[in-house]
Amino acid sequence: DQQVKQNSPSLSVQEGRISILNCDYTNSMFDYFLWYKKYPAEGPTFLISISSIKDKNEDGRFTVFLNKSAKHLSLHIVPSQPGDSAVYFCAANSGKGGGNKLTFGTGTQLKVEL
Amino acid sequence: DVKVTQSSRYLVKRTGEKVFLECVQDMDHENMFWYRQDPGLGLRLIYFSYDVKMKEKGDIPEGYSVSREKKERFSLILESASTNQTSMYLCASSLDSNVLEKLFFGSGTQLSVL
Repeated sequence: DQQVKQNSPSLSVQEGRISILNCDYTNSMFDYFLWYKKYPAEGPTFLISISSIKDKNEDGRFTVFLNKSAKHLSLHIVPSQPGDSAVYFCAANSGKGGGNKLTFGTGTQLKVEL
Repeated sequence: DVKVTQSSRYLVKRTGEKVFLECVQDMDHENMFWYRQDPGLGLRLIYFSYDVKMKEKGDIPEGYSVSREKKERFSLILESASTNQTSMYLCASSLDSNVLEKLFFGSGTQLSVL
């Protein structure tokens, strides 16, 4: 039972354009969401997060949007750069007795082309 | 910077062997985690630990056990390796259980069970 879903296994975007990565979740107890980025042969690294009390969080070129009623979040990267090519994982936790134990999605491979 | 070190980058084992995967973190973090990453399934939590000698099952603990005798070290044990345990294993740590604390990952161990 996949509680966090990333329905697009891959995405290809031109350099300088916007990349939009999507994530859906089913567990209404989740109230904290994170995005991690993973390069080949490296572990995932934290990118950006959002609490359920917000609907948007921005950090430089990265913005995460949360739509609680739709149980959907998205990561926007503007402008996209070749160095952004990586696998992006969406993750969630409930924060209620679960501490910071994360449930991850299946990942989206982003390729930014010149 | 936090460093999470996994002892082996690649391992090849035979079916039925007992396998030890070692993970060490150098930042005095309270929490440590073991995930496995498989294509199309994302990262799935095997076990985690909030303190020395303490362990809790994650989402897929079957066929695995763990040991945390010292704060900095968290070992994953495959009692009798099977081919369906061929996977990328990722260790992570975090400062504490605060929901806002992000996870820091090691580079992973690619285990092949033949």
